[in-house]
Amino acid sequence: EAGVTQFPSHSVIEKGQTVTLRCDPISGHDNLYWYRRVMGKEIKFLLHFVKESKQDESGMPNNRFLAERTGGTYSTLKVQPAELEDSGVYFCASSHPGGASKNIQYFGAGTRLSVL
Amino acid sequence: LAKTTQPISMDSYEGQEVNITCSHNNIATNDYITWYQQFPSQGPRFIIQGYKTKVTNEVASLFIPADRKSSTLSLPRVSLSDTAVYYCLVVLYSSASKIIFGSGTRLSIRP
Repeated sequence: EAGVTQFPSHSVIEKGQTVTLRCDPISGHDNLYWYRRVMGKEIKFLLHFVKESKQDESGMPNNRFLAERTGGTYSTLKVQPAELEDSGVYFCASSHPGGASKNIQYFGAGTRLSVL
Repeated sequence: LAKTTQPISMDSYEGQEVNITCSHNNIATNDYITWYQQFPSQGPRFIIQGYKTKVTNEVASLFIPADRKSSTLSLPRVSLSDTAVYYCLVVLYSSASKIIFGSGTRLSIRP
């Protein structure tokens, strides 16, 4: 079974530019999550999709961040325009749609975003 | 969600058994104790989950006393590759809700 994949693994952009991160969850996982860790801080939740619907977006920092999951498969997280404080590692995770293992999340390796 | 408290860091040596204790005084009836492991440059990885008494898998054991206000992750015979950050979490069983990460325990294994 393929794991959660994220692309790119590393992105370096200048302040004011736009970046789009992609996450491919494990096949069949309806739940998809975005998290991020900025330098020296703890991993923080950004948002949660159930299929194509946003279940919880309480962690999105501001309207420069836009997450989509059209068709309920892969998801993208766009940052426009990027600011210096957006630098960090962005993780995607997915979990089973139902049953006891719904609360076990499988994480991708992350995308390291550097805004210069 | 119950808050957890765990040591910031621990050191041990290859071949030793390592026990990491986590306290979760406000754990609720339907909460499970879950541990994740994170290696540098990787995402967190689920390692074990339990409700009470003892749970064992191929990676670790989890000991949970009757009052469930604490738990201990036990890693038998650690190797250098067990050097990682270990997160203790309390999650609502069968819930797909978000994970709230703390700072975790940074475990360093030496030769």
